[in-house]
Amino acid sequence: NAGVMQNPRHLVRRRGQEARLRCSPMKGHSHVYWYRQLPEEGLKFMVYLQKENIIDESGMPKERFSAEFPKEGPSILRIQQVVRGDSAAYFCASSQDASGVYEQYFGPGTRLTVT
Amino acid sequence: GDSVTQMEGPVTLSEEAFLTINCMYTATGYPSLFWYVQYPGEGLQLLLKATKADDKGSNKGFEATYRKETTSFHLEKGSVQVSDSAVYFCALTNPNTGNQFYFGTGTSLTVIP
Repeated sequence: NAGVMQNPRHLVRRRGQEARLRCSPMKGHSHVYWYRQLPEEGLKFMVYLQKENIIDESGMPKERFSAEFPKEGPSILRIQQVVRGDSAAYFCASSQDASGVYEQYFGPGTRLTVT
Repeated sequence: GDSVTQMEGPVTLSEEAFLTINCMYTATGYPSLFWYVQYPGEGLQLLLKATKADDKGSNKGFEATYRKETTSFHLEKGSVQVSDSAVYFCALTNPNTGNQFYFGTGTSLTVIP
């Protein structure tokens, strides 16, 4: 059973460009979470999605950031007009249900560098 | 709101030393508690978990007990190895307040031979 897949692993963007981060959850998991890890900090929750629905986006910046989890294909975290402060590691996690009892399985992350 | 406060690092220990990393939590109701480990350049891996009071999670020689009376979930290992060098994150999830994980800031552990 493949784990959570994220691509690309490393992404370099110039200020003002768009960044698209992809996440394929573990097989059988329909709950996806995105987290951001700034240098020397812990992970901060951004958004929680189920197939075709955003359940909780309380941690997502109001502007420039969006996320989707279509019926087919991976979940996408999109950052428009990136700025240097967006440089971070972005982790995706998936779980098999929403009870909170089951752990979230994390992908290897996408390290975004904005130059 | 829900939160996790973790012992600040970095922590440096000699091989075979005893390890304790403190973790305190704030949450309503009955959260589930987790320890995750992150090796350099990698994502987080679940180390152990406990889902109710007095449960003890254990894995690879690491242990942590869910103490509701002291709202703590301290990580311990009796004899650390060089391969244990990593960053350790305490986390909670609370069905009462949603399904997101709340993470501590992480504690960096370096074990020297």
